[in-house]
Amino acid sequence: GQNIDQPTEMTATEGAIVQINCTYQTSGFNGLFWYQQHAGEAPTFLSYNVLDGLEEKGRFSSFLSRSKGYSYLLLKELQMKDSASYLCAVRAPHLTFGKGTMLLVSP
Amino acid sequence: GAGVSQSPSNKVTEKGKDVELRCDPISGHTALYWYRQSLGQGLEFLIYFQGNSAPDKSGLPSDRFSAERTGGSVSTLTIQRTQQEDSAVYLCASSATSLRTGANVLTFGAGSRLTVL
Repeated sequence: GQNIDQPTEMTATEGAIVQINCTYQTSGFNGLFWYQQHAGEAPTFLSYNVLDGLEEKGRFSSFLSRSKGYSYLLLKELQMKDSASYLCAVRAPHLTFGKGTMLLVSP
Repeated sequence: GAGVSQSPSNKVTEKGKDVELRCDPISGHTALYWYRQSLGQGLEFLIYFQGNSAPDKSGLPSDRFSAERTGGSVSTLTIQRTQQEDSAVYLCASSATSLRTGANVLTFGAGSRLTVL
């Protein structure tokens, strides 16, 4: 079976850096994805990792360690609009999602 | 179309009624997925269509749920004899493989919110 764990909620201050962790146990692995979902909206793609290491894309970076079954999403220079749910998902073989981490950015 | 379109955006029905939810994927995307999202829960995989292959129905929660994809494009998710626990947002996504990264990225529609009274 698949099991994906991430914190339920996190809070941070505008301009700060926040790291959202995700651990997974899956049978088979074919990539890890991070999606952002604002309340009442569809999830949108943020990042993809299939090999170990860090992928950087502007203010967002994502890290993967396949041996540890671990990933994190790093958000820098937080803005109010970053308040959203962040979903960790593993493809094995279909995209299986964690329950998401609700991030609240305060002024 | 430019994005994944779903209809209706909201549906309120009575317990025991049948409902149909429609998804129009991005033109050219061969893969189509249905997920559902209940309050406070993650996205739950329901069914997957890839081209002309037989669909993967492994996520359908009961035989009251079925889906079809006509002509390799539009898909309909049907829930028969709806129950209150079927209340959720039903999300459709289509995908294509990125030539740059090799990632098969899902693009989601806005969802159909189903409320069963």
